[in-house]
Amino acid sequence: DVKVTQSSRYLVKRTGEKVFLECVQDMDHENMFWYRQDPGLGLRLIYFSYDVKMKEKGDIPEGYSVSREKKERFSLILESASTNQTSMYLCASSLISGREAKNIQYFGAGTRLSVL
Amino acid sequence: AQKITQTQPGMFVQEKEAVTLDCTYDTSDPSYGLFWYKQPSSGEMIFLIYQGSYDQQNATEGRYSLNFQKARKSANLVISASQLGDSAMYFCAMREGVGAGGTSYGKLTFGQGTILTVHP
Repeated sequence: DVKVTQSSRYLVKRTGEKVFLECVQDMDHENMFWYRQDPGLGLRLIYFSYDVKMKEKGDIPEGYSVSREKKERFSLILESASTNQTSMYLCASSLISGREAKNIQYFGAGTRLSVL
Repeated sequence: AQKITQTQPGMFVQEKEAVTLDCTYDTSDPSYGLFWYKQPSSGEMIFLIYQGSYDQQNATEGRYSLNFQKARKSANLVISASQLGDSAMYFCAMREGVGAGGTSYGKLTFGQGTILTVHP
């Protein structure tokens, strides 16, 4: 079974702190994604990576950065956490996309972040 | 403009009955894929079913089926014989930019979600 592991289920941080959310996948997937989930808005893509050291902005990258030094690990960084970044963060991975439309994303259990 | 729209914030169904969760989408891409995911209270997103834009038949996976109406741009999820364990949030998602020259990298666009509650 594919396993995507997020390092924390719950995090509480203070405004202005630097926050690291870690995600590890064990299926040798090329693509990795970070989403945030808010009520009524569904999941919105923050950043994704299609290879080591490669990253692309998603729909809402402001206030976030990412790091992918190894294929299996994709980190989301909040440089200076703010209260409007309180949310559920979900990591996902998938195989590299070619012409095949059916490219299932596998998700971690999520990290619920509260910024006070 | 919303690319994926789920108009039902919440749905209720009696155990053992069937339920339909609505999803409409908007794309000008002729080649795309539609996905449904389930999110229980534990938080993890679970893939349920997939429909490709060129698939001739509606997708089915066990108790899940997808009512795909391409002309109406709808991809409704049908759950037959509902069980208490089906209570969860359900998300519809779309992948565009596939096929020749596609460069979407597998990105998905999600709808707002529908909370399904199954009553005993």
